[in-house]
Amino acid sequence: GAVVSQHPSWVICKSGTSVKIECRSLDFQATTMFWYRQFPKQSLMLMATSNEGSKATYEQGVEKDKFLINHASLTLSTLTVTSAHPEDSSFYICSALDWMMTDTQYFGPGTRLTVL
Amino acid sequence: AQKVTQAQTEISVVEKEDVTLDCVYETRDTTYYLFWYKQPPSGELVFLIRRNSFDEQNEISGRYSWNFQKSTSSFNFTITASQVVDSAVYFCALSETRDDKIIFGKGTRLHILP
Repeated sequence: GAVVSQHPSWVICKSGTSVKIECRSLDFQATTMFWYRQFPKQSLMLMATSNEGSKATYEQGVEKDKFLINHASLTLSTLTVTSAHPEDSSFYICSALDWMMTDTQYFGPGTRLTVL
Repeated sequence: AQKVTQAQTEISVVEKEDVTLDCVYETRDTTYYLFWYKQPPSGELVFLIRRNSFDEQNEISGRYSWNFQKSTSSFNFTITASQVVDSAVYFCALSETRDDKIIFGKGTRLHILP
């Protein structure tokens, strides 16, 4: 089946620094990717829809200047958490839509961010 | 607006018992997909099933079965002869085909006791 990878799998950073998380579709092209955030013992909440070659669409309440999304190629989307604070500590999960072959979203393994 | 409700926050059953996880959804669209995902302690989402809104046939896959009823907007998931390895958080989810966004329910934490 289709594979989506995320890097890093976990990261610890100091408050005020920026962290970049990569999401890659390894064996298919994805014009659309999605970014989710999951706080401990809570559900996945959609943050934004990432479209290749255009600006991301953010869900209500998600700060676009804080969570920068870049989808520069058909297999890579990046989420940069700028000026991270402890409240940004969370599990970030991406998914990639294989619209061409299976019309199915495939989820990455997630990235656990801890901001000290 | 679309919404997924999983009323059962946490369930504990003894191994080998059957258990049903409930899911009720809301959507204004006539075309949509319903999903179930499993999230073990590792955190990685495991895809279990996707059901098209036009396909109301129940499905069985090994010890897993799903009951889709449009009349009650429900998509329930049953595990037969549960095993300790089934312990996880299970999410029911909905996607309207117009934008492919997947909206998740709050999840049901399932504990299978040995």
